[in-house]
Order: sequence, then structure tokens, then C-alpha cells
Amino acid sequence: DAGVTQSPTHLIKTRGQQVTLRCSPKSGHDTVSWYQQALGQGPQFIFQYYEEEERQRGNFPDRFSGHQFPNYSSELNVNALLLGDSALYLCASSLAQSNTGELFFGEGSRLTVL
Amino acid sequence: AQSVTQLGSHVSVSEGALVLLRCNYSSSVPPYLFWYVQYPNQGLQLLLKYTSAATLVKGINGFEAEFKKSETSFHLTKPSAHMSDAAEYFCAVSANTGGFKTIFGAGTRLFVKA
Repeated sequence: DAGVTQSPTHLIKTRGQQVTLRCSPKSGHDTVSWYQQALGQGPQFIFQYYEEEERQRGNFPDRFSGHQFPNYSSELNVNALLLGDSALYLCASSLAQSNTGELFFGEGSRLTVL
Repeated sequence: AQSVTQLGSHVSVSEGALVLLRCNYSSSVPPYLFWYVQYPNQGLQLLLKYTSAATLVKGINGFEAEFKKSETSFHLTKPSAHMSDAAEYFCAVSANTGGFKTIFGAGTRLFVKA
């Protein structure tokens, strides 16, 4: 049973560039949430996708956008990168019909912005 | 709205000693509560979850947590620390507000001394 997979695992960009991160959810899951984890901090909720639509969003600017595909995989896009966007980006999947919202995490994509 | 406060960004214990990591939550609706563990350069792994079935919850690796509504707390304990318990621990709260949204605390890093 494949867990949550994310790609790439590491990447380096320069300020002003754009980045796309990818996530495949755990088999059978239909909901994907994205989190940003800065060094030494807890994960911060970016947004959640269900049925190919953004269902909930945290306090992140419009430079952060996403997409969910019919196979439930998801992408996170960040435009006009800033130094402060350097972080570990975590994808978590869950089942919409879950009665608790338990999340299953990938190992993350570490983004460094120079 | 939900929020989580973890008291103490760092906790140090000796091997074999009691582990106590503190978490207080705030939620406008009945919450679901979680503890996750993160090892270096990895994603988050679920330790245990409270789903209103029982106030004392047992998780993996000998950890347990007790839900105390009157104190809005969900502290994590383990009777005897092991070197392998050294990691970052995150308390999280989730509520169904038109889809589950999980909010994490800032984390507590546990150090275990030989």
C-alpha cells in the first residue's frame, strides 16, 4: 500500500522564480492538504483540495496556488518566490468521509530560495 | 476557530525517566486531537488520536495522552523514555467546519540523555 509520495525531495530556486511541487496521496484517499514548515516551527496550513477544488485556505497570499487532478494527486505552485518561502513543504492526504480528519504525511519537499 | 499551544519548545529527560509534553487547545466546536512525531528530515507520523470515544488514549511506542475538557488540555506522556524517543512532537487539533482542517502547535523537541 503506497503511502503519500512527494516530489522533488529537494530543490533550490532564486528569488522571483516559480516552483511546482507534486504530491500523490495514499491509496484510497481523496483529500490533499498542503503545509509549510519553516525551520524550527510547526506546520502551517496552506490549503486543502477535495473534488478538484480548493475547499479551505490558510493565511497565505495568492502567490500560493494549487490544483488537484482527477486521480486525486495534487500540485502546489508558488510564484514570485521570496527568501521567506524557504521551508519544508508537506503534503498530507486524508479521506473526506473520515470522522476525524486524520492526516497521512509525505516526507516533504525542501525548498531553498536564494 | 481552532488553535494549539505547546508549552515548552524543548524538553530534556534522562533515559528511563517520565516524559511529559504539554498541549492546550482552543476550539469553537468539539475537537479531535492528535499527537504527531517528526524525526529529522522526515514527514510527520501519527502517535495517537482522541476521537471522543475515551479520554485516555494509548498510542504507539508506549505513549499515551489524556483529554481533559475542563482544562482544554491533551498532554502526552510516556512512563520511561528511550533514546529512540528523541524527536520533535506536535500536538494538533482538527474540527469539521465544512471539511476537516488540522492546526498544529509549534512543536516540542524532546532530548533524551543517556
